Amino acid sequence: AQKVTQAQTEISVVEKEDVTLDCVYETRDTTYYLFWYKQPPSGELVFLIRRNSFDEQNEISGRYSWNFQKSTSSFNFTITASQVVDSAVYFCALFMNRDDKIIFGKGTRLHILP
Amino acid sequence: SQTIHQWPATLVQPVGSPLSLECTVEGTSNPNLYWYRQAAGRGLQLLFYSVGIGQISSEVPQNLSASRPQDRQFILSSKKLLLSDSGFYLCAWSAGLAGRDEQYFGPGTRLTVT
Repeated sequence: AQKVTQAQTEISVVEKEDVTLDCVYETRDTTYYLFWYKQPPSGELVFLIRRNSFDEQNEISGRYSWNFQKSTSSFNFTITASQVVDSAVYFCALFMNRDDKIIFGKGTRLHILP
Repeated sequence: SQTIHQWPATLVQPVGSPLSLECTVEGTSNPNLYWYRQAAGRGLQLLFYSVGIGQISSEVPQNLSASRPQDRQFILSSKKLLLSDSGFYLCAWSAGLAGRDEQYFGPGTRLTVT
């Protein structure tokens, strides 16, 4: 079965702490794409990153970094020196080439406390 | 730049009433268009997607339908709403092949069926 698991339903950390959001996926496809989206309180999802299954390089963008490990089927997202504006729901998603469909995880609600 | 609009922003409708939600995209041609539903405390569920005028793919059988009368217009409809149709409806677009590319989301419509 193809699915995306975000086991952390809700996380609270104090501002300036680092936090990692976990994403574990399951697919039989050899070609697939992974995504992270941010949903702030306003409700509109914002695209953060896309990774294809052949690119296992980790990515860093400012305070955000992503760790893609095919061996463990994980695509984790780390926020360094968190800020209150990072408070949001974060979704991991998987697009499978063979099935031509995208599946979203249930999201992790992140609270950054001042 | 591209912009995606959705209206209305909020809607309260009685059970059995019809529904029409509209989504339009500006600043791009021949976008792939998507309708998602986000129920309270759950992830995003893809309802419909469209790769062109009049081309609609349904992901979930239900009492909702979608239409794409113009290149940059996507409409979600129902003839008779159910209580279970309550949720947050998001429209999105992508430039590339359906699902593989990052998607850009509208502000959403919060629907409450009473």
